[in-house]
Amino acid sequence: QKEVEQNSGPLSVPEGAIASLNCTYSDRGSQSFFWYRQYSGKSPELIMSIYSNGDKEDGRFTAQLNKASQYVSLLIRDSQPSDSATYLCAVTDSNDYKLSFGAGTTVTVRA
Amino acid sequence: DVKVTQSSRYLVKRTGEKVFLECVQDMDHENMFWYRQDPGLGLRLIYFSYDVKMKEKGDIPEGYSVSREKKERFSLILESASTNQTSMYLCASSFAGQKYDTQYFGPGTRLTVL
Repeated sequence: QKEVEQNSGPLSVPEGAIASLNCTYSDRGSQSFFWYRQYSGKSPELIMSIYSNGDKEDGRFTAQLNKASQYVSLLIRDSQPSDSATYLCAVTDSNDYKLSFGAGTTVTVRA
Repeated sequence: DVKVTQSSRYLVKRTGEKVFLECVQDMDHENMFWYRQDPGLGLRLIYFSYDVKMKEKGDIPEGYSVSREKKERFSLILESASTNQTSMYLCASSFAGQKYDTQYFGPGTRLTVL
């Protein structure tokens, strides 16, 4: 089973600040990387997918991938109270449709 | 808009009962998945299916079986429910192939086994 590790939370940030979430993975063959957001009592919803090294931006979210370091991160700029949730990092490879999830990092944005 | 639906949001069953959880997706996805999510343990894959009538075990298949008779429908079966199967069950689906393999989740079924 692929190992996916996320920095342990909870992470508390003031409104308007940048929240930085980190994820490392063990399988060098991993090809697809995802960040999901999960509100309490709800199912995960996709925020970002990234497949190539570098940065990918979508609104206030930026995903960063470094395959050599086996590292993927998520930055949330101008954090809002509505960003308070658990963020799950997930990884898979092109030969295996199964996602391996990290345990998640809970983010709290203080108003 | 991708839609994955699950038959129940909340379910209460007794030990030893046979339990059926159903999942339906409307996006013509090849792949379908069943996960359970428990506090401190994260999301764990129970079974997945990459085609009709095809299935593969995930990381924790013991005590579960699955059925996929139609492309849009994937059922999870607890043959004889036990209290340690009390959990949140999440269904997901995706296309096959990289860059199309985003998994979309249903709303989840919170199962309590008494």
